[in-house]
Amino acid sequence: QQQVKQSPQSLIVQKGGISIINCAYENTAFDYFPWYQQFPGKGPALLIAIRPDVSEKKEGRFTISFNKSAKQFSLHIMDSQPGDSATYFCAASNNNDMRFGAGTRLTVKP
Amino acid sequence: DAGVIQSPRHEVTEMGQEVTLRCKPISGHNSLFWYRQTMMRGLELLIYFNNNVPIDDSGMPEDRFSAKMPNASFSTLKIQPSEPRDSAVYFCASSFGTGPGNTIYFGEGSWLTVV
Repeated sequence: QQQVKQSPQSLIVQKGGISIINCAYENTAFDYFPWYQQFPGKGPALLIAIRPDVSEKKEGRFTISFNKSAKQFSLHIMDSQPGDSATYFCAASNNNDMRFGAGTRLTVKP
Repeated sequence: DAGVIQSPRHEVTEMGQEVTLRCKPISGHNSLFWYRQTMMRGLELLIYFNNNVPIDDSGMPEDRFSAKMPNASFSTLKIQPSEPRDSAVYFCASSFGTGPGNTIYFGEGSWLTVV
């Protein structure tokens, strides 16, 4: 069963715009919520992560918003750039059991 | 630092043949994961090892799939016999330690096509 649900499946944003990707999870035992970025032909790489004791984490243009009561979290990419075009995966883990969302293919148009 | 190293990068094989995918985790990491990625199902955890011991293999699709980790620096994922529906990218990943916040590092994947 899909333990982490991610939307949208694909997203097209103009350069300079805000990209928003949403995820929801079921298992309340999850205690770590990373986002991975994957470029074509490469493996996913950690982008940013959050733990449930905070509601927001920001690193540069990337921000995670976390809503523990709703069991939802989202990735915001500010001032989106063509170089951000990639597939983004949210994930949730409990110890080493990490489950991924289905992925969002982001295209940033120049 | 060398990352997770996988081989082969690409494999095309005929249905019914045995396929063996290999992985060398990052030195010092004690957890190793095998994931499968397809368009339809996304990234699926197949199995993970901690200190060379399989911890959770509930994601292994069927008995045709097997994984081993004979030592801390090597793991294999074997498919026998292979079927066209096994065509996917197989990722090996590793991490250090257990508990929340352990970053999982992925290899570049083994692209398998079964014809």
